[in-house]
Amino acid sequence: AAGVIQSPRHLIKEKRETATLKCYPIPRHDTVYWYQQGPGQDPQFLISFYEKMQSDKGSIPDRFSAQQFSDYHSELNMSSLELGDSALYFCASSLGTEKNIQYFGAGTRLSVL
Amino acid sequence: DQQVKQNSPSLSVQEGRISILNCDYTNSMFDYFLWYKKYPAEGPTFLISISSIKDKNEDGRFTVFLNKSAKHLSLHIVPSQPGDSAVYFCAASAAVGAGSYQLTFGKGTKLSVIP
Repeated sequence: AAGVIQSPRHLIKEKRETATLKCYPIPRHDTVYWYQQGPGQDPQFLISFYEKMQSDKGSIPDRFSAQQFSDYHSELNMSSLELGDSALYFCASSLGTEKNIQYFGAGTRLSVL
Repeated sequence: DQQVKQNSPSLSVQEGRISILNCDYTNSMFDYFLWYKKYPAEGPTFLISISSIKDKNEDGRFTVFLNKSAKHLSLHIVPSQPGDSAVYFCAASAAVGAGSYQLTFGKGTKLSVIP
């Protein structure tokens, strides 16, 4: 079965650079979530989209923005990168009739040097 | 403030025995609970879930028990297999926005099943 696809898997950036992370949800899933997991930490909710509209916002810095496109894929844009942004970034998707169950991608590991 | 707590960072169990992973929560608004399994370099994989209107849900070797009055849930794995060795995350959700159910995670418990 198709899963959530995230790209790239690994990304290395310098401080103050920008990064764009992409997420392709499971086909027919209408909701996308972004989470950030720091070293030794639990995943923290950043932002979510339902039917291409932002539906909820968590602890996402103002330097970050995201959107969901007409084909339901989502992009997380991160600007003015800081060392503390180094983390695993997970995308998850869910289906309208089973909203509580989120399926996660393999994640993008961002390293800011 | 950690709203979902997994107080045991690690657990070791003999193959064939029962593994019991525990989770406590503080937010009374949570109405759905999930367990995820995570291997290194992979995303969390959904295992089993339970709605707050139930007290037990079973799927093969995995059973989740929910005690709402104690704000406690547990995951039982019987029998445990070496392939079950992974980090297990407890997560909880509450409807917050139209179509959105953000998950709040515990810090995880690393399960090691010894052959």
